[in-house]
Amino acid sequence: EAQVTQNPRYLITVTGKKLTVTCSQNMNHEYMSWYRQDPGLGLRQIYYSMNVEVTDKGDVPEGYKVSRKEKRNFPLILESPSPNQTSLYFCASKGLTEAFFGQGTRLTVV
Amino acid sequence: GENVEQHPSTLSVQEGDSAVIKCTYSDSASNYFPWYKQELGKRPQLIIDIRSNVGEKKDQRIAVTLNKTAKHFSLHITETQPEDSAVYFCAASYSGYSTLTFGKGTMLLVSP
Repeated sequence: EAQVTQNPRYLITVTGKKLTVTCSQNMNHEYMSWYRQDPGLGLRQIYYSMNVEVTDKGDVPEGYKVSRKEKRNFPLILESPSPNQTSLYFCASKGLTEAFFGQGTRLTVV
Repeated sequence: GENVEQHPSTLSVQEGDSAVIKCTYSDSASNYFPWYKQELGKRPQLIIDIRSNVGEKKDQRIAVTLNKTAKHFSLHITETQPEDSAVYFCAASYSGYSTLTFGKGTMLLVSP
């Protein structure tokens, strides 16, 4: 079954404690992306990757890092989380057309 | 880069009515326009898409129209049902392995 898997689904953490949200896809897609979803603001792109070792900033990259060492994995790293990064995060992978989203990670930073 | 505007932000209709959501895009090079539906607590999922060489596409109760000259496209849902209640996102991209730019979403509420 074609899928994008994110972990964890829910995460509560404290300000400044580094965390990683994992994302893995099994469709051999070259393109992967991270979005954050906040009420009234829609899906805002954080970072994207067009291929292994190629990453680019999206619209809201500040405070985030990504890496793409393998085609299937695209982790999102928050080196020093702050409360304004409390949000719902989605990873997505895309072939020529349709984007497939992970289940989402609801992050709360206190 | 591409910019996608979506209206309205909220739309309330009675069951059986039609609903229309409109989007405009800025980059004339964009040629792929998908619509995603996000039910409460779920991930966005593709419901219909259209390419720039087509003016209209239908799939049962949903249809999408595209006006390349005006750079706008619309989602039409006929005979709405309560299960159509969700957030709908439009998006645009240059087809191929390029990024998708999303609109801010429309919350559709269908009352029985």
